[in-house]
Amino acid sequence: AQKVTQAQTEISVVEKEDVTLDCVYETRDTTYYLFWYKQPPSGELVFLIRRNSFDEQNEISGRYSWNFQKSTSSFNFTITASQVVDSAVYFCALSEAEYGNKLVFGAGTILRVKS
Amino acid sequence: DTAVSQTPKYLVTQMGNDKSIKCEQNLGHDTMYWYKQDSKKFLKIMFSYNNKELIINETVPNRFSPKSPDKAHLNLHINSLELGDSAVYFCASSQGFRVYEQYFGPGTRLTVT
Repeated sequence: AQKVTQAQTEISVVEKEDVTLDCVYETRDTTYYLFWYKQPPSGELVFLIRRNSFDEQNEISGRYSWNFQKSTSSFNFTITASQVVDSAVYFCALSEAEYGNKLVFGAGTILRVKS
Repeated sequence: DTAVSQTPKYLVTQMGNDKSIKCEQNLGHDTMYWYKQDSKKFLKIMFSYNNKELIINETVPNRFSPKSPDKAHLNLHINSLELGDSAVYFCASSQGFRVYEQYFGPGTRLTVT
């Protein structure tokens, strides 16, 4: 069964702090994909990254970085030098190859960045 | 230039009414989806269509019926609306029905009174 757990319901940081959002997943499939989406206060869902189960390389995109560890079934997301504009709800999601493109989302983590 | 658009953005209606939400994408994608986000922000897939064919149909009441007139459109019709249907409904699209990133529309906030 697919399951995504984002244990941090809400995180508050002060601008310029680094923050890591945790994501733990469960799957029985050997081929699967992990995603992060951002939902700012305006409400839209913005795609951030997709990772497949065969690629454990960490990824960096500007101030964003992702750490994928199959050994701990985790796909954590770090924002370096956070900014107020990073305030949003962040969702981790999982899709198993067997079920095609069905995204199973975690409950989301609310990130509040204060100036 | 909007990639995935939905109309209306807000929908307020009374219990028992029938309503539709429209979705259009101009990304040239062949797979489209409907998701429901409840008041606690939990997101769950409802339906997925690939080339106008239904490929994912989660446990959704029969009152919800998706219709895909062509690859670029996926509409959601809801009959006999109930209070529990109040939520934000997101349309999304992707390159194919294998695992590709999905691009979401702005959402439609449905309020049933």
